Amino acid sequence: GAGVSQSPSNKVTEKGKDVELRCDPISGHTALYWYRQSLGQGLEFLIYFQGNSAPDKSGLPSDRFSAERTGGSVSTLTIQRTQQEDSAVYLCASSPELASGEQYFGPGTRLTVT
Amino acid sequence: GQSLEQPSEVTAVEGAIVQINCTYQTSGFYGLSWYQQHDGGAPTFLSYNALDGLEETGRFSSFLSRSDSYGYLLLQELQMKDSASYFCAVRVMDSSYKLIFGSGTRLLVRP
Repeated sequence: GAGVSQSPSNKVTEKGKDVELRCDPISGHTALYWYRQSLGQGLEFLIYFQGNSAPDKSGLPSDRFSAERTGGSVSTLTIQRTQQEDSAVYLCASSPELASGEQYFGPGTRLTVT
Repeated sequence: GQSLEQPSEVTAVEGAIVQINCTYQTSGFYGLSWYQQHDGGAPTFLSYNALDGLEETGRFSSFLSRSDSYGYLLLQELQMKDSASYFCAVRVMDSSYKLIFGSGTRLLVRP
């Protein structure tokens, strides 16, 4: 079956512009996570969705970052007034159940802010 | 808070065995996971230890000791395709089950 998909795969934007990143999780997966990975670093948790609600937003680095999920499926991560330090790969993961030790990752969106 | 430490780089020869260690400090967690990531690729799940002891999956094994705050990933019969970054991650003990990742170990397999 289809895995987690993300779009766009690459995004180059000018400092100060807004960007939207999209994640399509595996069908039926109720848990959805956004992570950020800077070059050569580990993954940094941003936000978690269970269904359409986001009970854990503790990883969002500033109020310029927001995310939503609709229909218990697609999620969008929005970054307003982008800064150069926002440049990173943004990864989405989904999980079939909370007790599972496994998360399925999408290929990521590489964001470059110039 | 939680923190995990792994070696930044490990080099090994094709056909050999390599162990990647992970030490952690956390107030509580459900289990320790390992992920593999090739350059430019997505992290892919390798193994998960919810309990102390050894879990074996083919050429890969993972070990957890909660009393020692320590785990490791063991890769046997190394192949060139095993060259990648390997991340340990703890599933935190809160309602989100989010993963907190180590900074990763880059494994280079040489012929």
